[in-house]
Formats: sequence, structure tokens, C-alpha cells
Amino acid sequence: SAVISQKPSRDICQRGTSLTIQCQVDSQVTMMFWYRQQPGQSLTLIATANQGSEATYESGFVIDKFPISRPNLTFSTLTVSNMSPEDSSIYLCSVAPDTRGWGYTFGSGTRLTVV
Amino acid sequence: DAKTTQPNSMESNEEEPVHLPCNHSTISGTDYIHWYRQLPSQGPEYVIHGLTSNVNNRMASLAIAEDRKSSTLILHRATLRDAAVYYCIPDGGGTYKYIFGTGTRLKVLA
Repeated sequence: SAVISQKPSRDICQRGTSLTIQCQVDSQVTMMFWYRQQPGQSLTLIATANQGSEATYESGFVIDKFPISRPNLTFSTLTVSNMSPEDSSIYLCSVAPDTRGWGYTFGSGTRLTVV
Repeated sequence: DAKTTQPNSMESNEEEPVHLPCNHSTISGTDYIHWYRQLPSQGPEYVIHGLTSNVNNRMASLAIAEDRKSSTLILHRATLRDAAVYYCIPDGGGTYKYIFGTGTRLKVLA
């Protein structure tokens, strides 16, 4: 299965600023996903990031707040813009296998604290 | 998207089997059922998946009801390292989107 390197692992940011999270995969993958995990909660899908097209956002998430780039088949970034304390969460990227039905791989997450 | 229902929490003694249930009564006929677990301070990790037949791997077994409306993850001998939140997830029938439910927090007692 793919190996994901996610950076940074954690950060403390001032409100009103932006943070870009990077997700690097050790092999080419078609489908990548970004999730948010608020404190003590389950994971919520933010968007699907496909190479060569705009990301597809889930209800409640917008591109202006969470712009995503997918320049190639091994890399993606998620930016959390104009941050507020409510954005304090763990953000995770995930990749799907090319064959449906097999396991997805998740990054270890970025723990973001907004002060 | 298929909705899942799992107990919020379960406890098990170390070295004993654990059966983690999941109800997914709205699952479509083509959804695979995946199980993941999330250890503290880590991203979710794949445990097992199946479509219709029961499945075994080195980590666990998956028992799928004949009507596919429920499944049970079986850890044959729980260890302290199995303490985690366990999620069952229908795979979205080809959409490739995972929608996580609340999961079951498993506590393993020494």
C-alpha cells in the first residue's frame, strides 16, 4: 500500500492567518481526499482532490476557505485560510487504491491549533 | 450514502475475543464493507474488508450477515495495542468517498 508523508505534523497559528498542509505519496495515485477531525469527533470529508481538475467539496466546505491543489499524482496541499479558533482540528489526507475494494491509506495528520 | 450504526464504546479483557458490531441497513448491493481503526494520535489504518463472504486476515475476521445489513469485526485475542476507535465504512459504491460514522471506542483491560 502507499506511504504518505504529511507535513507539518502540528502547528500553532494566529487567527486570521493561513496554513498550508502538504501530503506527499510515495507512488502515483488517482484519488486523494482531505478530512478534518475536530477534537473528540470522527472524521469529516472536506473534499476529493483529483489531478487535473478542481477539487470537489462536500457540503459545508468551500474553496475560499479550504483551497486545494493537486499538481501531480503524488502530491496535494490543503490550505486553511483566514483561520479562527473553530478551525482547530486534525487535518488528514488519504489516498484510495487504484483497484476498488482495497484499503485506503491515511496520513498521520496535522494537528492545528488556532489562537 | 449508506448510514452506519455502531456502539459508542465497548470493553474487553486482554486475551479474550471481541465482537464489534455494525449496522448498515441502507447499504447498496455493490458497496464493499471496510473496517478501519484509529489508534491514539494516528490516522486511521485499514483492518479488513468484504463484500458478501466472511473474510479472515492476520489482524481480524469479518462476518457479514446474509442480508448484508450488518457485519461484525472479530478480534480473536484482544491485546492492549488493540485499544482504538473502530469504524465500519461502506465504500460508497464506486464513488470512492469514505463517510465515517461515530465508530466504537474499544477499551482493553489488562
